[in-house]
Amino acid sequence: AQTVTQSQPEMSVQEAETVTLSCTYDTSESDYYLFWYKQPPSRQMILVIRQEAYKQQNATENRFSVNFQKAAKSFSLKISDSQLGDAALYFCAYRSTGNQFYFGTGTSLTVIP
Amino acid sequence: EPEVTQTPSHQVTQMGQEVILRCVPISNHLYFYWYRQILGQKVEFLVSFYNNEISEKSEIFDDQFSVERPDGSNFTLKIRSTKLEDSAMYFCARTQTKNTEAFFGQGTRLTVV
Repeated sequence: AQTVTQSQPEMSVQEAETVTLSCTYDTSESDYYLFWYKQPPSRQMILVIRQEAYKQQNATENRFSVNFQKAAKSFSLKISDSQLGDAALYFCAYRSTGNQFYFGTGTSLTVIP
Repeated sequence: EPEVTQTPSHQVTQMGQEVILRCVPISNHLYFYWYRQILGQKVEFLVSFYNNEISEKSEIFDDQFSVERPDGSNFTLKIRSTKLEDSAMYFCARTQTKNTEAFFGQGTRLTVV
């Protein structure tokens, strides 16, 4: 079974600074998708960024970018110019070509003004 | 980003009662999912649903649970004979195809007392 590991239960960053959230996963598949979801206090799950495993280029979405290392099975999220509204619980998720998403345990990000 | 609506936002029920959680569909989204998040824990897959049939389910999704689209519109999760440990956030998710990102609803907070 696929597993997703987020080794940082909590992280903090100064406003306007950059922070990187780590994620590793375990799979024997070659074709899959990776995602970062954000869960603010409202507890809604909001898609931040996605990466297709067959793409070598790292995905970027405004201030959010990923460092996808397929061989190392690593998928970190970098948040640049952190804003107060970025404070949330961040989940890394893996999706195979099947239906299931597998989520990590989450990293709680605090943004310090 | 397509909006996914869940009702109710919060449901309190007595242990042993049945609850029905609802998810409003997006017309061109074909795949539906239910996920559960017990407070402080990670998001867990319950079931996926395609073409009016369950396509995949987890160990959590036992006989206590059922899903359906009774009139081709709302997608429902029924929990029979609720237990205290069923208290959690329940998220409905949709995808347009099998391999695209999931869009989550805002969740239904179920409290079993």
